Amino acid sequence: NAGVTQTPKFRVLKTGQSMTLLCAQDMNHEYMYWYRQDPGMGLRLIHYSVGEGTTAKGEVPDGYNVSRLKKQNFLLGLESAAPSQTSVYFCASSQTSYEQYFGPGTRLTVT
Amino acid sequence: DAKTTQPNSMESNEEEPVHLPCNHSTISGTDYIHWYRQLPSQGPEYVIHGLTSNVNNRMASLAIAEDRKSSTLILHRATLRDAAVYYCILLKTSYDKVIFGPGTSLSVIP
Repeated sequence: NAGVTQTPKFRVLKTGQSMTLLCAQDMNHEYMYWYRQDPGMGLRLIHYSVGEGTTAKGEVPDGYNVSRLKKQNFLLGLESAAPSQTSVYFCASSQTSYEQYFGPGTRLTVT
Repeated sequence: DAKTTQPNSMESNEEEPVHLPCNHSTISGTDYIHWYRQLPSQGPEYVIHGLTSNVNNRMASLAIAEDRKSSTLILHRATLRDAAVYYCILLKTSYDKVIFGPGTSLSVIP
């Protein structure tokens, strides 16, 4: 099992550009999550999903959209990137609300 | 939402036990206490969780106070690979928004 994978690993965007981050899991988990982590801080939940076709807002959802069209994939979109969105993004999945499995992260820089 | 409080940083000597404290005075009866850790440049990984009783697994032990307002993660013999940020979080049985605070940065001294 690959576990949780994230694509891409690194990305540099200019202000105003758009992009989509892909998270894939092969553990048949129902729950999936997107977090961001800024230097010296803990993780903050952006959006999450409790099943295929569902999404919900987390702690810091503004400026992001998500979709869960397939159970194994959770996409995070930035429609118009801003420098404040420079961060490391982590995806996670879990079968219940308990143990979450995290991906390796995507480092995004917006200039 | 119930919150947790942890020391910003701790140090330990290699091969000695480490006790990482967490205060959660507003914990509710349905909150489970979870611990995750994040090694440098990696995503967090699950360590252990519990509700009321002390718990042990291959990675660590979790000691929960009788009133559940605090808990302690115990690493029995710290190794250099245990140097990480440790997060104490509270989760309910049905999904609730997960809030990771800044955690405790553990340094292990050879």
